[in-house]
Amino acid sequence: DTEVTQTPKHLVMGMTNKKSLKCEQHMGHRAMYWYKQKAKKPPELMFVYSYEKLSINESVPSRFSPECPNSSLLNLHLHALQPEDSALYLCASSPDEAGRFREAFFGQGTRLTVV
Amino acid sequence: AQSVTQLGSHVSVSEGALVLLRCNYSSSVPPYLFWYVQYPNQGLQLLLKYTSAATLVKGINGFEAEFKKSETSFHLTKPSAHMSDAAEYFCAVRSSNDYKLSFGAGTTVTVRA
Repeated sequence: DTEVTQTPKHLVMGMTNKKSLKCEQHMGHRAMYWYKQKAKKPPELMFVYSYEKLSINESVPSRFSPECPNSSLLNLHLHALQPEDSALYLCASSPDEAGRFREAFFGQGTRLTVV
Repeated sequence: AQSVTQLGSHVSVSEGALVLLRCNYSSSVPPYLFWYVQYPNQGLQLLLKYTSAATLVKGINGFEAEFKKSETSFHLTKPSAHMSDAAEYFCAVRSSNDYKLSFGAGTTVTVRA
């Protein structure tokens, strides 16, 4: 199984709503990532979890709150978003163990629209 | 910080023609290098990766890339383009001592019949 599964595929939310994006992988990977991608742009790193601990936060606004409940799951909690936060949110995972290569596997993304 | 530069934001080729996408990296130590493809409204799919075991790397869908240290390049090629190759292609780099995977700006490939 080389899949990273993201739910939901599409999400429309108001600026006062609270919602969550979910990501799951069963490849035993110990690093998990959230990326944000605007149209016609490359993915931009938001957060990295390594061994269930937050290791990188790329100065992301606090209205985005990541959570890693266990080694297979990664959530992104959303609150009080702005229309400019509308984008494709991508989750990825990579092995990150000694002796294993470090390619990242991506999910299909969640298309978020903030109205 | 590691970075990659993709030369050419858009490449148009005829079906059956050579596809060449250019990527140059900036690194003082051997980096991890990757090519990803993204079809419309989809996630990123790994095409190939540089592992330092060989300078010529073969990937999926008939793509290959050559690592040239002297030129700090990792260009992607496919001998014969197919209509299904129309997509966005990203070169990416990662250093050996952190988790950051950084992407180039991307190259859009269109294939003419």
